[in-house]
Amino acid sequence: AQRVTQPEKLLSVFKGAPVELKCNYSYSGSPELFWYVQYSRQRLQLLLRHISRESIKGFTADLNKGETSFHLKKPFAQEEDSAMYYCALSVPRAGANNLFFGTGTRLTVIP
Amino acid sequence: DTGVSQNPRHKITKRGQNVTFRCDPISEHNRLYWYRQTLGQGPEFLTYFQNEAQLEKSRLLSDRFSAERPKGSFSTLEIQRTEQGDSAMYLCASSLLAAGGEQYFGPGTRLTVT
Repeated sequence: AQRVTQPEKLLSVFKGAPVELKCNYSYSGSPELFWYVQYSRQRLQLLLRHISRESIKGFTADLNKGETSFHLKKPFAQEEDSAMYYCALSVPRAGANNLFFGTGTRLTVIP
Repeated sequence: DTGVSQNPRHKITKRGQNVTFRCDPISEHNRLYWYRQTLGQGPEFLTYFQNEAQLEKSRLLSDRFSAERPKGSFSTLEIQRTEQGDSAMYLCASSLLAAGGEQYFGPGTRLTVT
């Protein structure tokens, strides 16, 4: 069965410091990995996905199949990055792509 | 069309009552998903529709839960004989048919069972 683990429930960093939000997954096949973000009083939204290999709002995430990880990184945190971040996994089968989420990490960027 | 909408936003009900939630997806999206989120947890998949067909249901979806999408547009999620353990945020998301289509989430319906 698939599982997503986010070991840190809370993470605080100072503005301008590097950020790394950890995500590990378990799945024997080839999943798709995503990071979703929820800013205060806003709905859950996609931040980035591993297949697009792009940087969004300065964030990047590399899929490491050997370590089964998909950590989210940003070199210089900004106050507006404070939010709840969820790592999610999708197992495409028969075209379906329902998501399996981790428990989330609340990031606080201290001014 | 400003995105996925859900109604009501909040629902308080007494144990044993039935409740129904509605989700209106983005108009051209043929896939619709329901998730449930409890405090301190990430969203958990409940069920998904492709057009009007319900193609997958999680084991989390007990017999008291039923979902419909009669015309392939809006969807309803009904919970019969609510229990306190049903208290949660119920999220709806929609996406296009393409594999890996981004899921767009609604604001959720917060259910409190007293």
